[in-house]
Amino acid sequence: DGGITQSPKYLFRKEGQNVTLSCEQNLNHDAMYWYRQDPGQGLRLIYYSQIVNDFQKGDIAEGYSVSREKKESFPLTVTSAQKNPTAFYLCASSIDGLAGGVGTDTQYFGPGTRLTVL
Amino acid sequence: AQSVAQPEDQVNVAEGNPLTVKCTYSVSGNPYLFWYVQYPNRGLQFLLKYITGDNLVKGSYGFEAEFNKSQTSFHLKKPSALVSDSALYFCAVRDTYGQNFVFGPGTRLSVLP
Repeated sequence: DGGITQSPKYLFRKEGQNVTLSCEQNLNHDAMYWYRQDPGQGLRLIYYSQIVNDFQKGDIAEGYSVSREKKESFPLTVTSAQKNPTAFYLCASSIDGLAGGVGTDTQYFGPGTRLTVL
Repeated sequence: AQSVAQPEDQVNVAEGNPLTVKCTYSVSGNPYLFWYVQYPNRGLQFLLKYITGDNLVKGSYGFEAEFNKSQTSFHLKKPSALVSDSALYFCAVRDTYGQNFVFGPGTRLSVLP
C-alpha cells in the first residue's frame, strides 16, 4: 500500500448525507482512480483522472463526484443520490497520464475505505 | 470491449502443493495483463504483469504466470503453496486502445495446512 493513503479507514453515514473520502499519493503519479468493491464482485471503476483539473466518468459514476485540484490528491464525494453506497472504496494511481501511457503502467492501490450507510 | 473471466470462485489447495488460479481475457488489441492479491480489508497488492516478451512472467512471493495467446489465458501459478498465500486474487487486463483496467471477479484461494 506504500505511497497511497486513504482516510478514514471506516466511515459511517446516515442516509441523505454526503461524505468525502480522501486519497493522497506521494508517488508523483499523473493518473488516479477510484474503484468500488462489493462482496463477490470485482472492482468497478467510478472515476479516473489522467491529469490535474481533468477527470472522466467510469462505469458507475452516478451518485459520485470527484475533484483533482492537486496532483497528489483525488477526493471522492459520495452524494445522497447514490442509492446503495455501502461498499469498500479503493483508490489507485499509476504513472501514465496524457503524456502517453499505453496501458503498461501498473496501478498501485491504497488500503481502502469501508463506507457503511446506517 | 475488454473483459476478464476468472472461472473459479474458490480454489482450495493443500500446503506444499502447486497452485493454479485461472484467468482468461478478451481484448481488441494487444493485451497487458496483471495479477493482484488482496488480503482481508486491505487494498490490492501488485504481483506481476505481462507486457511483452517471454510468456512466463515471474513476480512477487514466488508467483509466476504464463501468457498463452492462442488460449487467451494468463493463469497464475506457484510451485509450492503456503498457508499465508490464502487471499483473494484478481486478474486484470488493459489493451492498447483502452484507458483503464478491467478486473475479473476475483478467485478466493484457500491453502489448507
